[in-house]
Amino acid sequence: GNSVTQMEGPVTLSEEAFLTINCTYTATGYPSLFWYVQYPGEGLQLLLKATKADDKGSNKGFEATYRKETTSFHLEKGSVQVSDSAVYFCALSDRGGANNLFFGTGTRLTVIP
Amino acid sequence: DAMVIQNPRYQVTQFGKPVTLSCSQTLNHNVMYWYQQKSSQAPKLLFHYYDKDFNNEADTPDNFQSRRPNTSFCFLDIRSPGLGDAAMYLCATSRDQGQSYEQYFGPGTRLTVT
Repeated sequence: GNSVTQMEGPVTLSEEAFLTINCTYTATGYPSLFWYVQYPGEGLQLLLKATKADDKGSNKGFEATYRKETTSFHLEKGSVQVSDSAVYFCALSDRGGANNLFFGTGTRLTVIP
Repeated sequence: DAMVIQNPRYQVTQFGKPVTLSCSQTLNHNVMYWYQQKSSQAPKLLFHYYDKDFNNEADTPDNFQSRRPNTSFCFLDIRSPGLGDAAMYLCATSRDQGQSYEQYFGPGTRLTVT
């Protein structure tokens, strides 16, 4: 079956620190991989995605590379800001017809000045 | 701005008392989804509509129903809420089905069952 395992939080970092949030997946086919972010009081927003092996998704300074050999899609950012404080969800989509997203449990990031 | 709107943001209902959650969208998307997210857990898909076609996930309890009277609106009905149904309910839309179509999420409705 399909599943996503995500690094447990919460994660607290100082501003300008390097961020890594680990994500590994299990899928029966060839999934697309996503990172969603949820800011306080708001809905989930797509942060970045990758649709095939070795693709790198990037947005707002965040990056993640689709690694088929390690079934991973780790989220990284070189220098976090206070405004990056949010909950981050790794997800996969692995169905040809519908777009069923399988989510990880989320990692709460707090960035302190 | 085009968006996904959920009402109410917070809903309290009594054990066994039917409750309806509402979702509307101004994106004119074909697909609408309902997810359940329990505390500290991953969002889980309950069902989705592709236009008027209803698609139920295999493990969604019969207690949960949905209606989509038109493109813009979709409702989640919980016929007899139990304490275990307390959760955040997320509505999402996508322009079409398939991995390449992004899902746009509303802010969620937090349901409390007393």
